[in-house]
Amino acid sequence: EAGVAQSPRYKIIEKRQSVAFWCNPISGHATLYWYQQILGQGPKLLIQFQNNGVVDDSQLPKDRFSAERLKGVDSTLKIQPAKLEDSAVYLCASSFGTGVGEQYFGPGTRLTVT
Amino acid sequence: SQQGEEDPQALSIQEGENATMNCSYKTSINNLQWYRQNSGRGLVHLILIRSNEREKHSGRLRVTLDTSKKSSSLLITASRAADTASYFCATAMGNQGGKLIFGQGTELSVKP
Repeated sequence: EAGVAQSPRYKIIEKRQSVAFWCNPISGHATLYWYQQILGQGPKLLIQFQNNGVVDDSQLPKDRFSAERLKGVDSTLKIQPAKLEDSAVYLCASSFGTGVGEQYFGPGTRLTVT
Repeated sequence: SQQGEEDPQALSIQEGENATMNCSYKTSINNLQWYRQNSGRGLVHLILIRSNEREKHSGRLRVTLDTSKKSSSLLITASRAADTASYFCATAMGNQGGKLIFGQGTELSVKP
């Protein structure tokens, strides 16, 4: 089966600019996650969708980050305006069910904010 | 906040040796999972152990879970250069849907 797709793979922007990331999960996976991974750390959950509803966005900086999952399939994550500390890899993952099973990760988008 | 603490942060061994990584966590869990991340890539799921299980095997991987000590270990036997990667433990709590909380990882280097 095709894996989780993400684009772009790399992005360099200046601070205060905006950026958007796209994710296409594995077909049939109900749950989609966006993680932020800062260099040298483990991934941190930003937002979790179940179909097209938000389950958990407690760690999403809502003043600058937004995410949507229209029609319960693809998802976009946006940062506006970006700060230097947003430099990180943004990982998308999906899982089949709505429980606590394994997650399948995409290759990530490496964002550099200068 | 990060629930898992991993030890050691970095580990360097020779091919053929065993590698052991440890993970400690703070709160009750539904299951604990281990993931591998090669440089510049996404994470790959290795193994899941439920809170009522004590040991699990998958190929050259052996995972143990001690819920009384809130700790887990990942053993890779007969390591290969291709095992060079970062390894993360992640905890899932049953009352938070599929949310995983990751540790900071162990960077494993296997020298040929």
